[in-house]
Amino acid sequence: DAGVTQSPTHLIKTRGQQVTLRCSPKSGHDTVSWYQQALGQGPQFIFQYYEEEERQRGNFPDRFSGHQFPNYSSELNVNALLLGDSALYLCASSIGRRGYSPLHFGNGTRLTVT
Amino acid sequence: TQLLEQSPQFLSIQEGENLTVYCNSSSVFSSLQWYRQEPGEGPVLLVTVVTGGEVKKLKRLTFQFGDARKDSSLHITAAQPGDTGLYLCAGSIQGAQKLVFGQGTRLTINP
Repeated sequence: DAGVTQSPTHLIKTRGQQVTLRCSPKSGHDTVSWYQQALGQGPQFIFQYYEEEERQRGNFPDRFSGHQFPNYSSELNVNALLLGDSALYLCASSIGRRGYSPLHFGNGTRLTVT
Repeated sequence: TQLLEQSPQFLSIQEGENLTVYCNSSSVFSSLQWYRQEPGEGPVLLVTVVTGGEVKKLKRLTFQFGDARKDSSLHITAAQPGDTGLYLCAGSIQGAQKLVFGQGTRLTINP
């Protein structure tokens, strides 16, 4: 049973460019959440997708956008990259939208912006 | 503003010692989860506590949720090198879908 898979594992981009990160949830999970983890910090919530709609959003600018597909997989898009966007981007899947539904995390995409 | 404060941020102890990690907030959480994260991997859920005062044990790890559901602790007995990692607490606020994470406690157990 595959867990949460993310691609790519590493990515290097230049300031001003755009990036798309991908996530396939754990089998049986229908909700995908995205988190940004800066070096030495805990993950910060970006947004959550359920039934192909953004259900809740954290304190991130509109440069961060996402999408969920009918098969529950998801994409995170970041436009006009800044140096400060360099971080580990984690995708987590769960069942339903309950706050205490356990999250299953992927191993993340390490984004470096130069 | 950090909603959840973890302490200590770094802890390095010898194998066999006991330790406690704290997770504190001024906010009330409907549930609180503890995760462990290894280098190059995503966080892995250890436990979820829901009821104020709840205590859960996972082998040598004991988790407690504060009576007022504003704080939590993780106690490890007879720490082993395999316990090394980043320990994260994360709280869920009633009505919200997101988890709020603390900044983590980086634990190193020396043989």
